[in-house]
Amino acid sequence: GNSVTQMEGPVTLSEEAFLTINCTYTATGYPSLFWYVQYPGEGLQLLLKATKADDKGSNKGFEATYRKETTSFHLEKGSVQVSDSAVYFCALSANFGNEKLTFGTGTRLTIIP
Amino acid sequence: NAGVTQTPKFQVLKTGQSMTLQCAQDMNHEYMSWYRQDPGMGLRLIHYSVGAGITDQGEVPNGYNVSRSTTEDFPLRLLSAAPSQTSVYFCASRTSGGLYEQYFGPGTRLTVT
Repeated sequence: GNSVTQMEGPVTLSEEAFLTINCTYTATGYPSLFWYVQYPGEGLQLLLKATKADDKGSNKGFEATYRKETTSFHLEKGSVQVSDSAVYFCALSANFGNEKLTFGTGTRLTIIP
Repeated sequence: NAGVTQTPKFQVLKTGQSMTLQCAQDMNHEYMSWYRQDPGMGLRLIHYSVGAGITDQGEVPNGYNVSRSTTEDFPLRLLSAAPSQTSVYFCASRTSGGLYEQYFGPGTRLTVT
C-alpha cells in the first residue's frame, strides 16, 4: 500500500537556521506530493505541492523537490523564523483527484529566538 | 467567509454514548471529508462525500456514520463511542476543480472515557 515516512521530531532550531525535514514515500504509479502545515490550535493548511517528477513546489520561503529516483520530497527553508513553529505533514495522493490523502506522522518544529 | 467550521471544539463522552460532530463550509465546495488525527499516525480518512446525497467510506470508517443532505453540511455521527475513538477530528472540503488543495477546519478534540 501507499505510505509516507517523515523524520521524527521534535525539531528545535534557532532563528535564521537552515531547515530540512525529510520525507520519503512508497506508492504505485505517479503520486502527487504535498506538504501541509498545522499552526497551534488550527487546522492543516496546504504549504506546497508537486504533481510530477522533478517539480519543485515553493511557498513562503519553503521548497521541496519531487525526486522519483529516491522517492523523496524533503522540505527545506534557508532561514527559519519563530513564526514557522508548527507541525509539518508530508502527504501523497496516489490517484489524480482521489480524496484519499496518505499522511506522514508529522514533524513538530520549534524555532527559538 | 468563515471557511470550514467545526463544532464543538472539545468533547468528553462516556463509553457507549452517541454524538454528532458538526462540520459546515460556506465556500460551495462539492467535496467534503472527515479525518482523524492520532499521535504517531498522521491523519486517516474516515468518510468522504463528493456531493449532496453521495458518501463513501475511507480508510477507517467503522463506528462512524455520515450523511450529506446539503452542500454546506457534513456531520459525523458516533453511534456508540469507544475509547479507541479518542482522537482529534478534522473536516476538510475542496472544489471538484481544486484537485490539490483541501481546506481544513480547526478540529474537534474528542475524549472517550
